[in-house]
Amino acid sequence: SQTIHQWPATLVQPVGSPLSLECTVEGTSNPNLYWYRQAAGRGLQLLFYSVGIGQISSEVPQNLSASRPQDRQFILSSKKLLLSDSGFYLCAWSDQGLSYEQYFGPGTRLTVT
Amino acid sequence: SQKIEQNSEALNIQEGKTATLTCNYTNYSPAYLQWYRQDPGRGPVFLLLIRENEKEKRKERLKVTFDTTLKQSLFHITASQPADSATYLCALLSGSARQLTFGSGTQLTVLP
Repeated sequence: SQTIHQWPATLVQPVGSPLSLECTVEGTSNPNLYWYRQAAGRGLQLLFYSVGIGQISSEVPQNLSASRPQDRQFILSSKKLLLSDSGFYLCAWSDQGLSYEQYFGPGTRLTVT
Repeated sequence: SQKIEQNSEALNIQEGKTATLTCNYTNYSPAYLQWYRQDPGRGPVFLLLIRENEKEKRKERLKVTFDTTLKQSLFHITASQPADSATYLCALLSGSARQLTFGSGTQLTVLP
């Protein structure tokens, strides 16, 4: 069966520090991968998506970037965090076949201080 | 611009009653609409998908309707239980990468 992992689970970082969040998927190949951010009490905002290695599309311009160095690995990065980057970051995957649902990881709670 | 609205931020109902949640959208012609459940501090979990040519979809105590003329979906939970308490998210699918755009969610509380 497929599983999705995210780490770390919780992170507290000062303003101006770098960020690296990692997401890996097991049990499937060539998935679509997604990064979302959820601010407190708000809905999910799609940040990046990827349909293959090295293929990244950005939905929202900001100081974050994403990379997909391997088929089942998706990384969210920032060179300098802002206070507004605080939130709950979720990685998700979907099949490129006949199903359309997305499967979410456990999330990373990021607090920028 | 495209917009998805879930009409109630919070909904309280008595155990055993039917909960009805609403999702309205504008400037979209989605082929698929999905509903997810999210518990506090957790990622959303997929519940149901309904296609544009389907009027209604059921799964156990869950029922979803999709009216593309009204641009609205209704999500029903029958015989509600306290364990159904969660935030329910509506999402529309678009794009070649099957991107989802989510509504802000409705927080449902089922009172014992």
